[in-house]
Amino acid sequence: SQTIHQWPATLVQPVGSPLSLECTVEGTSNPNLYWYRQAAGRGLQLLFYSVGIGQISSEVPQNLSASRPQDRQFILSSKKLLLSDSGFYLCAWRFGSPYNEQFFGPGTRLTVL
Amino acid sequence: AQSVTQPDIHITVSEGASLELRCNYSYGATPYLFWYVQSPGQGLQLLLKYFSGDTLVQGIKGFEAEFKRSQSSFNLRKPSVHWSDAAEYFCAVGQDSNYQLIWGAGTKLIIKP
Repeated sequence: SQTIHQWPATLVQPVGSPLSLECTVEGTSNPNLYWYRQAAGRGLQLLFYSVGIGQISSEVPQNLSASRPQDRQFILSSKKLLLSDSGFYLCAWRFGSPYNEQFFGPGTRLTVL
Repeated sequence: AQSVTQPDIHITVSEGASLELRCNYSYGATPYLFWYVQSPGQGLQLLLKYFSGDTLVQGIKGFEAEFKRSQSSFNLRKPSVHWSDAAEYFCAVGQDSNYQLIWGAGTKLIIKP
């Protein structure tokens, strides 16, 4: 069966510091991968998605970036965090067909102080 | 443009009462429709999905949803809610030619004892 991992679960970082969040999927190959953010009390905002190694599509221009160095690894990064980067970050994967659901990881709670 | 509307930000129901959460979509072709649930601080879990066939779909945890093409709706129902159903519920639409899901803003369900 497939499993999706995210770490860390919780992170508190100062403004201006770098960020690296990692997402790993097990038990499948060539998944579509997604990074979402939820601000407090808000819905899901798609940040990035990837259909293959090295293929990243950005949905929202901002100071975040994503990389997919391996088939089942998806990394969200920032060189300098802003206060507005605080939120709940969710990674998801999906088999590459439109009628397949996305499967979500447990999320990372990021607080930027 | 495709869109998903969940008109109710919050809904409060008594434990044991019936529940209906509304979801309306805007999409030209037959959509792929999903309902997810998110408990506080957790990732999202798929409740049910529809992409063809019987328009009444059964899901996990006693939930069902009905696709009504004439009303562009995919409302989620449960005959008798339990306190453990308190969570946020998201409706989403998938598209044939896109890797993304279009998300509603979510409805927070509050259960009165």
